[in-house]
Amino acid sequence: DTAVSQTPKYLVTQMGNDKSIKCEQNLGHDTMYWYKQDSKKFLKIMFSYNNKELIINETVPNRFSPKSPDKAHLNLHINSLELGDSAVYFCASSSYPGGRGSPLHFGNGTRLTVT
Amino acid sequence: QQQVKQSPQSLIVQKGGISIINCAYENTAFDYFPWYQQFPGKGPALLIAIRPDVSEKKEGRFTISFNKSAKQFSLHIMDSQPGDSATYFCAASLVQAGTALIFGKGTTLSVSS
Repeated sequence: DTAVSQTPKYLVTQMGNDKSIKCEQNLGHDTMYWYKQDSKKFLKIMFSYNNKELIINETVPNRFSPKSPDKAHLNLHINSLELGDSAVYFCASSSYPGGRGSPLHFGNGTRLTVT
Repeated sequence: QQQVKQSPQSLIVQKGGISIINCAYENTAFDYFPWYQQFPGKGPALLIAIRPDVSEKKEGRFTISFNKSAKQFSLHIMDSQPGDSATYFCAASLVQAGTALIFGKGTTLSVSS
């Protein structure tokens, strides 16, 4: 019973395609996040939702659109994929909406490769 | 001012040795400083964390040392083991809700047996 689960684990697609990554957490947390880890392993916040409401929206191209149907799920849809989108995308959750010292629980990532 | 600077980028330590990873920050409003450990193919996992009102925190072989005046904190891994080989990230966050954890660029630790 994985706490934060992402699907798919690997995603290989061509430039210009549209793809989605799904995330689910069973920890009962109110806040979920998407982080991007580039080839140099740098982790950067993309979005955060608290109880289905978007609370963090970093400078991410609007080809990326998160969607939270309920507080246990946060999906990421990417339109018109580009080579530079190749990275590992991590979903995470926490008890509180950022700050306040609430630890993040990460999924195992989705490795996206755009060819 | 939102950056967390981490060094070294990579580190090789002999089994039984001490691994030391350093981080520095600028924003004095940061009030929570965790360290995350990431193994290949896995997501980062919280290892240990500290708040600025404490100068040191120890959990088993892992110790965080915190120097508020210097705006620096470091992770010490005592008696390093091959199983400690992983990427380590320091991070910092602000006190207010709705802000994200900001990560350092990571240190890849290799412990040789």
